[in-house]
Amino acid sequence: ETGVTQSPTHLIKTRGQQVTLRCSSQSGHNTVSWYQQALGQGPQFIFQYYREEENGRGNFPPRFSGLQFPNYSSELNVNALELDDSALYLCASSLGGKGLTEAFFGQGTRLTVV
Amino acid sequence: GEDVEQSLFLSVREGDSSVINCTYTDSSSTYLYWYKQEPGAGLQLLTYIFSNMDMKQDQRLTVLLNKKDKHLSLRIADTQTGDSAIYFCAESTGYSSASKIIFGSGTRLSIRP
Repeated sequence: ETGVTQSPTHLIKTRGQQVTLRCSSQSGHNTVSWYQQALGQGPQFIFQYYREEENGRGNFPPRFSGLQFPNYSSELNVNALELDDSALYLCASSLGGKGLTEAFFGQGTRLTVV
Repeated sequence: GEDVEQSLFLSVREGDSSVINCTYTDSSSTYLYWYKQEPGAGLQLLTYIFSNMDMKQDQRLTVLLNKKDKHLSLRIADTQTGDSAIYFCAESTGYSSASKIIFGSGTRLSIRP
């Protein structure tokens, strides 16, 4: 167990709807990164939040947005869902700053868009 | 651009060594990682190597880095059935894990009795 929890574990949504995924970071960590893992692929970086501010973004459209709260938990919001948004969404928490600190991944939220 | 490539499948006999290979394109990579993903699970960091090293050993795991050829390998000695999983090679730039991690597509390791 990494101490990173994601909710819900599974979700089914209809095309065009909106979804919010949640991540509780490991105690003491101030950085949360979100990744999308399509079936049979490696995770793709969506964005990262560091101390409540966006700190880097991957090649995802603006309908993917996020928030980080003062307790460093985070949300990923996806508007106008498309079938291709079906994937496992992973969050990773870490302690931002210089030097290598391990990123701990949650179990993920499996989103199915129908 | 940033790209990480690895073969999709590897099958080895129980007790043999497994070698999973990976190539990457970003010459400014700072850290290179191997992650393990079991069915229905998140990602577990197995080991990492800093770009100025060429080898790292950790119990049954040996990581070799050829920076000139941008080639990374993971050797698992005495492969066991519990090693069945998907192994992701990954890299990041910068000097903090707060930088984004670029993953390969994963190598599915299966173990034959």
